[in-house]
Amino acid sequence: AQSVTQLDSQVPVFEEAPVELRCNYSSSVSVYLFWYVQYPNQGLQLLLKYLSGSTLVKGINGFEAEFNKSQTSFHLRKPSVHISDTAEYFCAVSAGGSSNTGKLIFGQGTTLQVKP
Amino acid sequence: GAGVSQSPSNKVTEKGKDVELRCDPISGHTALYWYRQSLGQGLEFLIYFQGNSAPDKSGLPSDRFSAERTGGSVSTLTIQRTQQEDSAVYLCASSLATEQFFGPGTRLTVL
Repeated sequence: AQSVTQLDSQVPVFEEAPVELRCNYSSSVSVYLFWYVQYPNQGLQLLLKYLSGSTLVKGINGFEAEFNKSQTSFHLRKPSVHISDTAEYFCAVSAGGSSNTGKLIFGQGTTLQVKP
Repeated sequence: GAGVSQSPSNKVTEKGKDVELRCDPISGHTALYWYRQSLGQGLEFLIYFQGNSAPDKSGLPSDRFSAERTGGSVSTLTIQRTQQEDSAVYLCASSLATEQFFGPGTRLTVL
């Protein structure tokens, strides 16, 4: 079974500052990792995903994340945030490779609040 | 093209009533998932359909919950004898590969 822990429930940051949203996972098998964003009153949108290969993955809207197998982490980063990045961010894991069913296990979410 | 659609967008019901929530996946997507998003529990997996295989029902919280997928397309999630703790946003997603595309959700309120 897999589990995900998002270490911060809320992250306040000023506009144009860098941000890191932390995510740690637990799994006994290989994993696929995802970050989703949910804007107010909207559905979930995929930001980026790690399936295999390069551990640094780039996504939409200038976000990137790094898969660290030894630390079982998949932290999300952006070098300069905008007001429009204010949203809730979810880290998710699914079993990878031949064990994959696509079923996602989500973290509790991190609310990113970008202040002017 | 059209994304995943869900209906109704909002549903208010009385405790003890049955409700049906509908999901129209993206055309051609073979996999369909239901999740529940609530304040206390976050985002939880409920059930998963893949092609003609038996569904994975491991996330359904009780036998009051059931789902079906007709013709490999539209899916209906049914909650019988609703309870107040069933109040949540019910999300549907579909996929062809590893990326799941989510619908806007149905907000269920049980009074």
